[in-house]
Amino acid sequence: QKEVEQDPGPLSVPEGAIVSLNCTYSNSAFQYFMWYRQYSRKGPELLMYTYSSGNKEDGRFTAQVDKSSKYISLFIRDSQPSDSATYLCAMSANSGGYQKVTFGTGTKLQVIP
Amino acid sequence: EPEVTQTPSHQVTQMGQEVILRCVPISNHLYFYWYRQILGQKVEFLVSFYNNEISEKSEIFDDQFSVERPDGSNFTLKIRSTKLEDSAMYFCASIGENTGELFFGEGSRLTVL
Repeated sequence: QKEVEQDPGPLSVPEGAIVSLNCTYSNSAFQYFMWYRQYSRKGPELLMYTYSSGNKEDGRFTAQVDKSSKYISLFIRDSQPSDSATYLCAMSANSGGYQKVTFGTGTKLQVIP
Repeated sequence: EPEVTQTPSHQVTQMGQEVILRCVPISNHLYFYWYRQILGQKVEFLVSFYNNEISEKSEIFDDQFSVERPDGSNFTLKIRSTKLEDSAMYFCASIGENTGELFFGEGSRLTVL
């Protein structure tokens, strides 16, 4: 079993839809949870960062972490064509004194006008 | 806002040549990383660096690769003798103290001919 599982998609939704992106993980040592957006041929851009279970909202984006279920989600409300990108989940844990970061494979999202 | 900067943005080289990719992580960050992304594929971990030594490296990071933090601000990735399959985007990233937020640079595109 992979440490972090993420459905690669692609996921196509109409403009204005609510998008739900998810990752599951197996390592209970993960402390920090992140979502990145990556446009083609660009570096991953940190969208959301959470430390504990619960919800965090930033504009149209909501990140949700459920440590008991080892499940994290990113919701995008009122999706726009500019949201079309690959979304990567990532999690980190302290490993022998440094932060080890593990990524999901990424979900490709297309928002259709 | 502080950012990770990478140079060059694009380098074209002949197979067998040495390449050095440079990164300036965010000031005061402690943990440094190199990732690679072959076009259309997922982000792959290469190496992490903390306290002036390699913390972890992947199987991709063989003897042809090396990293260095020569002067307290720059963080370099050297590929000794490039191969065609080294053609990819190379991303530098860094994390600060007491946090898990990983910030990426925009990447250096390496093309090996």
